[in-house]
Amino acid sequence: DAKTTQPNSMESNEEEPVHLPCNHSTISGTDYIHWYRQLPSQGPEYVIHGLTSNVNNRMASLAIAEDRKSSTLILHRATLRDAAVYYCILRDPSGGSNYKLTFGKGTLLTVNP
Amino acid sequence: GAGVSQSPSNKVTEKGKDVELRCDPISGHTALYWYRQRLGQGLEFLIYFQGNSAPDKSGLPSDRFSAERTGGSVSTLTIQRTQQEDSAVYLCASSLNLGQGQETQYFGPGTRLLVL
Repeated sequence: DAKTTQPNSMESNEEEPVHLPCNHSTISGTDYIHWYRQLPSQGPEYVIHGLTSNVNNRMASLAIAEDRKSSTLILHRATLRDAAVYYCILRDPSGGSNYKLTFGKGTLLTVNP
Repeated sequence: GAGVSQSPSNKVTEKGKDVELRCDPISGHTALYWYRQRLGQGLEFLIYFQGNSAPDKSGLPSDRFSAERTGGSVSTLTIQRTQQEDSAVYLCASSLNLGQGQETQYFGPGTRLLVL
């Protein structure tokens, strides 16, 4: 999978919006952008994914740049439960053994009460 | 609905003993994965089952590790003659395998294995 770059850490206050950036300048035209998160002492949790258009679900929104070289995960109102490591990854649908999830270091989000 | 469940949640064993870890995937999910995560580290792929196809065992670190999936549902990961370096969280995930670009994996809570 192509490489992604995320800030090591970010901090937010409770009930404020959080914008988590991800750069993926080598993304291919068919790569999907996925976000997972991992809360302390828990397994990873799928958050959202998209290809070109912005996406919304009950957990978050995903804003994808027009050139697709970057994206932003948006938590509209952070809660203490959102404190986690957030991983941005690219998924290539072209087959092979790319079903294996590989996370980088991700962004550690701290939410202050 | 019910998510992926794993048992036991914690396991402490002595070096040299065998352990069995169990995973119950989400009903209807055809794909099942095992990963390992050492403390403070990323995910390490171990094995992948998809339907009736031969599993991808390429991530198993040694022949002490084996896994099976019975009836296309429950899976068991077995570690024989455990070593201290096997201490980690063992995570199971399942998916509908809709296509690898959009496929999302749903993880269980993991089994925390400590080998003394």
